[in-house]
Amino acid sequence: QQQVKQSPQSLIVQKGGIPIINCAYENTAFDYFPWYQQFPGKGPALLIAIRPDVSEKKEGRFTISFNKSAKQFSLHIMDSQPGDSATYFCAASKQTGANNLFFGTGTRLTVIP
Amino acid sequence: EADIYQTPRYLVIGTGKKITLECSQTMGHDKMYWYQQDPGMELHLIHYSYGVNSTEKGDLSSESTVSRIRTEHFPLTLESARPSHTSQYLCASSSPSYNSPLHFGNGTRLTVT
Repeated sequence: QQQVKQSPQSLIVQKGGIPIINCAYENTAFDYFPWYQQFPGKGPALLIAIRPDVSEKKEGRFTISFNKSAKQFSLHIMDSQPGDSATYFCAASKQTGANNLFFGTGTRLTVIP
Repeated sequence: EADIYQTPRYLVIGTGKKITLECSQTMGHDKMYWYQQDPGMELHLIHYSYGVNSTEKGDLSSESTVSRIRTEHFPLTLESARPSHTSQYLCASSSPSYNSPLHFGNGTRLTVT
């Protein structure tokens, strides 16, 4: 059973556009929500993360919006650039359990110059 | 610059061969992980370790085995490779806390013919 559902699978935007990637979860034990960015030929790297006690977190051009009641969170990339073209994975983590980190299926973002 | 190293980057091997994928990290992290990554799928945890002499199976059933004799080294072995093992294998490490970021290597792309 997929613990974190992510959409869309792929996304193409023009430079300067604002791509939005959405994720949803069911398990209320999750209390930490990181996003990872993966460039071709590289491993994923942590981009930004949020806890459910805040509704929004910004780091540079990247913003996470969090809706605790809907159990949804999303990544917005402001003023997107061709260098942002990558695959983005949302994830959810909980404190207990042998495996406590679950990834979404990834979104391949292409930013056209 | 990656502080976690995986070798080889690419491996093409025939069915029935024994292979070992190497993973080393220089960060002194206690926790290490092996993930399997296929296109359009979430990262699946196949093995993890809390420290030396600790190994656990992840959520995804795997015919591979791992060992953790030294903190910095976490090799994965397939005794008899099959075409179904064709995938990308990602090694990662982290500090013990559940919300510590994972540091990934650049992966080994395995093709079994």
